[in-house]
Amino acid sequence: ETGVTQSPTHLIKTRGQQVTLRCSSQSGHNTVSWYQQALGQGPQFIFQYYREEENGRGNFPPRFSGLQFPNYSSELNVNALELDDSALYLCASSLVASNTEAFFGQGTRLTVV
Amino acid sequence: DQQVKQNSPSLSVQEGRISILNCDYTNSMFDYFLWYKKYPAEGPTFLISISSIKDKNEDGRFTVFLNKSAKHLSLHIVPSQPGDSAVYFCAARKLSRDNYGQNFVFGPGTRLSVLP
Repeated sequence: ETGVTQSPTHLIKTRGQQVTLRCSSQSGHNTVSWYQQALGQGPQFIFQYYREEENGRGNFPPRFSGLQFPNYSSELNVNALELDDSALYLCASSLVASNTEAFFGQGTRLTVV
Repeated sequence: DQQVKQNSPSLSVQEGRISILNCDYTNSMFDYFLWYKKYPAEGPTFLISISSIKDKNEDGRFTVFLNKSAKHLSLHIVPSQPGDSAVYFCAARKLSRDNYGQNFVFGPGTRLSVLP
C-alpha cells in the first residue's frame, strides 16, 4: 500500500504565472482534497474531488482549479499567481464519507516572488 | 470566521507529565473530530479521532475527550515523551451535502514541546 505523494516538493514562481501541483492518492482511496496552509495557520480547505468531479469547495477564487484522473490522482492548478498564494499545499486522500481519517502527502511548498 | 479554535499557540511540558491540548468549535454540524500531528517538512499525520456521539476515545497514551454541550474537545497525552514534540492540529469534519465526501476544518495548531 503506497501513501500519498506530491510533486514537486518545492517550487518558486513569479507573480502572474500559472502553476500545476500533482498528487497521487493512497491506494484504494477515491476522494482527493486539497488544502492550503499559510505560515502559522492550519490547513484551509480548497476543494475536493470524487470520481473526477468537484464535490465541495472552500472559500477560494476560481483561479484555483483542479482535476482528478481515472486512477484517482489529482492536479491543483493556480492561475495568475499572487504573492499571498505562497504557502504549503497539501493533498489528502480518503474513502468516501467514511469515518476515517484523511491521509496527507508531505506537501508542496510554493513561493511566489 | 474561525470555526475551529486552538487558543494556545504553544505548550511546554516536562517529559513523563501529562500534556493537555484544547480545541473549541462553533459549528454544531460537525460530526467527527480528529487530531493530527505535524513535524516540520512533513504532512499532517492522523493521531486519534472521536465521533460526535461519543465523549471519550482512547488509544495508548492518547485520549480525546469531547464535551458536545460546551463545543470543546481536548487531547491528553500521558506520559509525554520528547518525540511527541510537534504541532498538533484539531480538525472537525463536515460531510458534503450528498454525503459523498468530507472536508476538514482545521484549527491553527498548538506547538507542543516536551522537555527532557
